[in-house]
Amino acid sequence: KAGVTQTPRYLIKTRGQQVTLSCSPISGHRSVSWYQQTPGQGLQFLFEYFSETQRNKGNFPGRFSGRQFSNSRSEMNVSTLELGDSALYLCASSPRGTGETQYFGPGTRLLVL
Amino acid sequence: KQEVTQIPAALSVPEGENLVLNCSFTDSAIYNLQWFRQDPGKGLTSLLLIQSSQREQTSGRLNASLDKSSGRSTLYIAASQPGDSATYLCAVGGLIGTDKLIFGTGTRLQVFP
Repeated sequence: KAGVTQTPRYLIKTRGQQVTLSCSPISGHRSVSWYQQTPGQGLQFLFEYFSETQRNKGNFPGRFSGRQFSNSRSEMNVSTLELGDSALYLCASSPRGTGETQYFGPGTRLLVL
Repeated sequence: KQEVTQIPAALSVPEGENLVLNCSFTDSAIYNLQWFRQDPGKGLTSLLLIQSSQREQTSGRLNASLDKSSGRSTLYIAASQPGDSATYLCAVGGLIGTDKLIFGTGTRLQVFP
């Protein structure tokens, strides 16, 4: 089976812009979770989607949003980018949820200038 | 609020040594605990998952133990190799299988020849 894929791999944006990141889970996996990784805060949970519904949400401002499509692919959007949004954004998939082994994608590295 | 700590933050050992990485969590009401490794600039790779009812799990040269009552887990790596060099992260899930994962701060391991 193909692994979790994320696009794009690298992205450079300026403050105030918005960005959309994409995650394609392993075939058959219905749960997709998103994480932000920074040197200062480590790995922080953003949200989890299961069967097109947001099931869990982390402590991030409303500028961070996401959605999941019927084929389980997921997108996350960040509006009005700030310098502090520069990070590695990782998604993980599993068949049913976070209680199972999580399979991570390679991440999207976002740099906000 | 669950907090996960990993000690030491960094470790450098010669090839062939057996080593132990530690993970501590403040709330014992967990569903499971997972260990991951992360190579520089890449996503996470799942190593072991221990359910809350289990005491340990083994995979090859890796052995992870869980003591839920004391809020501790250890990852034992036998006969370390340079290829084991990476950052090791532990993560705990909430009380139910759909809760978000809380990640530790990580231990950066370097194994030199």
